[in-house]
Amino acid sequence: GIQVEQSPPDLILQEGANSTLRCNFSDSVNNLQWFHQNPWGQLINLFYIPSGTKQNGRLSATTVATERYSLLYISSSQTTDSGVYFCAVEPTGGFKTIFGAGTRLFVKA
Amino acid sequence: ETGVTQSPTHLIKTRGQQVTLRCSSQSGHNTVSWYQQALGQGPQFIFQYYREEENGRGNFPPRFSGLQFPNYSSELNVNALELDDSALYLCASSFRGQGQDTQYFGPGTRLTVL
Repeated sequence: GIQVEQSPPDLILQEGANSTLRCNFSDSVNNLQWFHQNPWGQLINLFYIPSGTKQNGRLSATTVATERYSLLYISSSQTTDSGVYFCAVEPTGGFKTIFGAGTRLFVKA
Repeated sequence: ETGVTQSPTHLIKTRGQQVTLRCSSQSGHNTVSWYQQALGQGPQFIFQYYREEENGRGNFPPRFSGLQFPNYSSELNVNALELDDSALYLCASSFRGQGQDTQYFGPGTRLTVL
């Protein structure tokens, strides 16, 4: 089955710093989403981005489907950005969603 | 527009028992997916229901079963509970069609099996 790899696994930032999170996937996908899981376990939808580029405030994401990767950019990080960021894909021709292992982000004040 | 809700929030069961978890989809959504998330790991896909029928399943045994009702709410049933079933169970709803199947997650049910 499809493999989804996220990097880095852990990231510590000083407040105000920028970061890039990466998601590689091994096969073609119908869709791709980025999520933020807060310390209480709630998964918050950040982007639905099977291809192209989107921006929402300090966050932006780019997916290059032909090269099978997606990037999540966080600019001017804040302590509230801390948590786990997941990439999730739905392989082409299937109705199941596969999550990566996540990137654990801690932003220091 | 109401979001995805799940009940109960927390649950403690003993090995061998059966459990039913419930999920109410976001208004207007016709698809619900269930996930199991063990501590420190990413969510693992259990199955998906579309218009009351299972149309996708992950690597979970048959003792994990589900239902979707005409109002698109859903249940996850787990029989013969094992210690390894202890996890956060997440439900997500979406609207399949029109090319954008964005999933919205509920807050989860934390199940502990003793």
